[in-house]
Formats: sequence, structure tokens, C-alpha cells
Amino acid sequence: AQTVTQSQPEMSVQEAETVTLSCTYDTSESDYYLFWYKQPPSRQMILVIRQEAYKQQNATENRFSVNFQKAAKSFSLKISDSQLGDAAMYFCAFTGANSKLTFGKGITLSVRP
Amino acid sequence: KAGVTQTPRYLIKTRGQQVTLSCSPISGHRSVSWYQQTPGQGLQFLFEYFSETQRNKGNFPGRFSGRQFSNSRSEMNVSTLELGDSALYLCASSRQGPDTQYFGPGTRLTVL
Repeated sequence: AQTVTQSQPEMSVQEAETVTLSCTYDTSESDYYLFWYKQPPSRQMILVIRQEAYKQQNATENRFSVNFQKAAKSFSLKISDSQLGDAAMYFCAFTGANSKLTFGKGITLSVRP
Repeated sequence: KAGVTQTPRYLIKTRGQQVTLSCSPISGHRSVSWYQQTPGQGLQFLFEYFSETQRNKGNFPGRFSGRQFSNSRSEMNVSTLELGDSALYLCASSRQGPDTQYFGPGTRLTVL
């Protein structure tokens, strides 16, 4: 069975600064996808970024980038130039052959003006 | 393209009743998955439907069931509601699994 671990329940960042959210996972599968989703107070789950396991290059989406370390089973999210609108709960998630998303417990990110 | 839609957005039921939630996927998406989100258990996978067939199932009792129609719309049913069924129910769609899943706004179910 796959597991996703987000060990930090909360983080805070100053506006315009950079913050990194950590995630580790465990799986015996070789082909899978990893995601970061954002859930603001509206509770709408929004895709932030995705990474295919077979790709060595780290995914980037504007201010968001990941550090994917396949051997270490680590998948961290870096948010650059943090904005007030980035304040939300962030979930790391895994999907493999069975299409089921396995989520971590999430981390609450606050942004200080 | 329109996103994933879920109806209703809010529901209040009493114990013992049953409830049906609806999900319309993004056009062209054939896979629909359902998740339950609670403060205590986090996000848990309920089931996935693809081409009108349940392809995967999570660890939930038989009171939780679903179906998918030929237009890929999906419904989820919970019978004999319990207080612990109070949760946010999220529906997600993808072209075909495994692939990126896009979520709807959720249905907030409160059981009294």
C-alpha cells in the first residue's frame, strides 16, 4: 500500500519570501504520479503541480516548483515570491496504477503581510 | 471547458435517512472518483468509476455506493446515514486513470 507523509502541520512565510513544503511517500510501484493540491478556505481542491515519476526533470509552474528525489521518495514544493493568496492548506498526493489518489494529512500555510 | 460540478453544495439530513450526491465530470473525462474529507480522517478514497463500471473501491461500508451513467456523470448514495458520515464529499474526474484528477467544489453533508 502507498503512504504519503507530510510531517509539518503548519508553516508560515513572509510575503514575497520563499517557502518549501515537505512530503515523503512510500510505494513499490515504479510508474506513478505525484501532485500538490491547494485547498483554500472555499474547500475547492486546486491542482498546483504534477510530476511524472519517469521524468527526471523537476516540474515547474510559474512560482511553484518541486524537488523530486525518486530514490529518497521525497517530493517537496517550493513557492517563490509568496503572495497572500497562497495561504491555504496544501496536500501532497500520489497515484499509481489503480488511479486512486492517496493524500498526506496536509499542511496549513499562512502568509504574513 | 467547464470544470467538475457537484450538486447539491450543501445538505442537512438526519440519522437513518439516505442521500444521493451528483457529479458531472469535465467534458471528455471518463473516470470519476469520490473522496470523503473529514477533520479526523483526512481525505479518503471511496470509489472510482470508469465507463459505467466500478474500477476501484476504498475501505468503506456497503452503505456507500455509486454508479456512473453513459454520459460519465456519477452519483454517490449513502444509506442509513450515521453522524460520522458528516463530511465534505469531493468528486474528481480524469480522462482515464491514472492521470491528473480535477476536483469539483464538493458537497458538504451534515448529519444530525
